[in-house]
Amino acid sequence: GDSVTQMEGPVTLSEEAFLTINCTYTATGYPSLFWYVQYPGEGLQLLLKATKADDKGSNKGFEATYRKETTSFHLEKGSVQVSDSAVYFCALSRITQGGSEKLVFGKGTKLTVNP
Amino acid sequence: KAGVTQTPRYLIKTRGQQVTLSCSPISGHRSVSWYQQTPGQGLQFLFEYFSETQRNKGNFPGRFSGRQFSNSRSEMNVSTLELGDSALYLCASQREGFYEQYFGPGTRLTVT
Repeated sequence: GDSVTQMEGPVTLSEEAFLTINCTYTATGYPSLFWYVQYPGEGLQLLLKATKADDKGSNKGFEATYRKETTSFHLEKGSVQVSDSAVYFCALSRITQGGSEKLVFGKGTKLTVNP
Repeated sequence: KAGVTQTPRYLIKTRGQQVTLSCSPISGHRSVSWYQQTPGQGLQFLFEYFSETQRNKGNFPGRFSGRQFSNSRSEMNVSTLELGDSALYLCASQREGFYEQYFGPGTRLTVT
């Protein structure tokens, strides 16, 4: 079945450091790919998405490129801020028979940014 | 536009009881999905409803059930609660034809 593997955390960085969180997936067909972020005590917020190969999703300085040849969707940010401290989830979805979509998530990577 | 709302935000129940959680989707969104989040299992899909019909179901026992009303609001019910049902239950709504699911803040259920 479909699955998502993302790098184990936690990740601790200093402010203004470069961030990479690796994400690879296994899926049949052509899934859509997402990064969600979860701040303490809150639900998930959609950070960015890509719906086809070579698409680049971007938002708030974060970027990720849909690489079908390597089945990857790595999250990057050039200069992190303390406010970026959160848990980041990579996810995929496919439209199943009947039109339903369900998200399959990675385990999450906790990021802490120190001033 | 108001986001996805979930009630209650926190709930404490005793083993063996049952519980009902509520979710109101974003206006115009007819698809509602439910997910369970635990430290051990991560985020797992429970079920998805569209136009009052369950379209998809995850691998959870029959104690977990749900429904959707004509105004797209959804409820999920867990009967005969077990300690392992302690989790954050997240609801997400989606507009038909669009890829994104938007999540509510979740209901934190603690079973003692």
